Amino acid sequence: DAGITQSPRYKITETGRQVTLMCHQTWSHSYMFWYRQDLGHGLRLIYYSAAADITDKGEVPDGYVVSRSKTENFPLTLESATRSQTSVYFCASSESGSEAFFGQGTRLTVV
Amino acid sequence: GDSVTQMEGPVTLSEEAFLTINCTYTATGYPSLFWYVQYPGEGLQLLLKATKADDKGSNKGFEATYRKETTSFHLEKGSVQVSDSAVYFCALRGTNTGFQKLVFGTGTRLLVSP
Repeated sequence: DAGITQSPRYKITETGRQVTLMCHQTWSHSYMFWYRQDLGHGLRLIYYSAAADITDKGEVPDGYVVSRSKTENFPLTLESATRSQTSVYFCASSESGSEAFFGQGTRLTVV
Repeated sequence: GDSVTQMEGPVTLSEEAFLTINCTYTATGYPSLFWYVQYPGEGLQLLLKATKADDKGSNKGFEATYRKETTSFHLEKGSVQVSDSAVYFCALRGTNTGFQKLVFGTGTRLLVSP
């Protein structure tokens, strides 16, 4: 299916575990982004990427790692999950000057 | 750095009422401005946008005008419907952001009752 998909949609993990959230887009957009959504904060940028193998930190990168070996994939890894990382995570993609398209989100709970 | 401030919610209206959600921004240069909508359990969808001063974005009966002099991009709709109940996010894409980053406001929840 065309579009941007995130997996899993829901995830419960324990403190200290490593967890990876997946993001896949079918448009070959150059830019991809990871945001987290928290009450009172709106969406905050975690990491972004301008192309394969080009990534950079956003506003709240601590505790997260990204990679982009292929244009269409942009996984987000929590190296050692903490309760403060309980959130809804959104992946997005865009081309230069175009609107950003968002995935459905992943609701992550760290217990 | 760039920032967006929007009115806190929730905004509670009856069907067919007039809607205004205020949004102001801080940015250097001439950013592009956006309104995104998030329906329950879904991701964000672009509602409308404006890329230069005095532009008016419009879609589905919603409108917003890019006001450079007041650094504002207020969202309006003349007659809301129950189906408009959602969270609305104002956002900007700055001219200095080579990576096309969007900066979001905190979101405003709209609740429309029949």
